[in-house]
Amino acid sequence: GAVVSQHPSRVICKSGTSVKIECRSLDFQATTMFWYRQFPKQSLMLMATSNEGSKATYEQGVEKDKFLINHASLTLSTLTVTSAHPEDSSFYICSAPGLALETQYFGPGTRLLVL
Amino acid sequence: QKEVEQNSGPLSVPEGAIASLNCTYSDRGSQSFFWYRQYSGKSPELIMFIYSNGDKEDGRFTAQLNKASQYVSLLIRDSQPSDSATYLCAVIFNQAGTALIFGKGTTLSVSS
Repeated sequence: GAVVSQHPSRVICKSGTSVKIECRSLDFQATTMFWYRQFPKQSLMLMATSNEGSKATYEQGVEKDKFLINHASLTLSTLTVTSAHPEDSSFYICSAPGLALETQYFGPGTRLLVL
Repeated sequence: QKEVEQNSGPLSVPEGAIASLNCTYSDRGSQSFFWYRQYSGKSPELIMFIYSNGDKEDGRFTAQLNKASQYVSLLIRDSQPSDSATYLCAVIFNQAGTALIFGKGTTLSVSS
């Protein structure tokens, strides 16, 4: 089946630094990718929709200048957490829809810890 | 505000019993409903997908959808300790896209 990878799987950074997370579709093209965030014991919350060749669409309450999304190609979307703070520590997961409505390929997730 | 509600649990059942997980959603126009299983520290994995009223069975899993009541459930028969996980109900609200809106999840614990 289709595979979505994320890199890094885990990152620890100092407060104030920026962190880039990559999401790749390994054997299919994804014109759209979704970025979710999951705090401990909470559900996945949709942050933004990444669109190849156009600007990302952000959900209400998500700062577009803080969470920069770049859909550089049909297989790569990146999420950059700028000036990260401890409250940004979370599990970030990307996904890409397949051809069928019920198909959604999730990446393995990136655990971010901001000290 | 489009919402998906679940009882967070934990739901504890003995091995071999039936586990019943419930979910309600706010948007009456929703068309597609999903149940995902998530182990701690991992991404969610799809268990069931349903879009028609009634029951859909796949092995030990049965999803039930009642659009009039805006209610979707998941039954797990012959529960196994390996079924212990968090079960997330998800809904596609926007048919133009496929972003999922998730409930908070129900934690299931199956004791041997």
